[in-house]
Amino acid sequence: EVQLVESGGGLVQPGGSLRLSCAASGFSFSDSWMDWVRRAPGKGLEWVANINPDGSEKYYVDSVKGRFTISRDNAKNSLYLQVNSLRAEDTAVYFCSRSLNFWGQGTLVTVSS
Amino acid sequence: DIQMTQSPSSLSASVGDRVTITCRASQGIANYLSWFQQKPGKAPKALIYGASSLQSGVPSKFSGSGSGTDFTLTISGLQPEDFAIYYCLQYDSYPRTFGQGTKVEIK
Repeated sequence: EVQLVESGGGLVQPGGSLRLSCAASGFSFSDSWMDWVRRAPGKGLEWVANINPDGSEKYYVDSVKGRFTISRDNAKNSLYLQVNSLRAEDTAVYFCSRSLNFWGQGTLVTVSS
Repeated sequence: DIQMTQSPSSLSASVGDRVTITCRASQGIANYLSWFQQKPGKAPKALIYGASSLQSGVPSKFSGSGSGTDFTLTISGLQPEDFAIYYCLQYDSYPRTFGQGTKVEIK
């Protein structure tokens, strides 16, 4: 059974940082593109970033470039999103996804003072 | 960036109805389009990829069509579990972009 379990969210002050994690199981993680997508309160889905199977290619939406970093550890079947210089508008549920065809339940990031 | 425009933004329908949601891309994306369903507090669920191919396990009451810039998602025989928000997504180029969503509500 394919499973994606996100963790690492929480309440953080503006300018702060968090490291989001996604534990994957039930499929060949090392062969899969992986994505992060977020949904802000009352808003729609926004694609954030993705990474290729060996981690050599990474793509980001403009609004997070230079602040967020996607990475992976294939030995641990884990995906990460380092989120720095957080802003109020980054408040959202962050979902990890296998190639946008299977999704985890999400982890909530709240940026507030 | 490619802009994806869905219509309508919301609709009311009855159980058993057939509904159609449209998605228009600001430039041609061939058939690199997916459709997703999201219910409150739940993860999005992939329904359609490649504009018209059904994801594994998705019932055939969901169907997709289109190519280029204009796409549709049709839900036949609406059931209570189908009331949700539906999103299109283009994966022709980066950044990937979603439509703003269509909320399907019970009439």
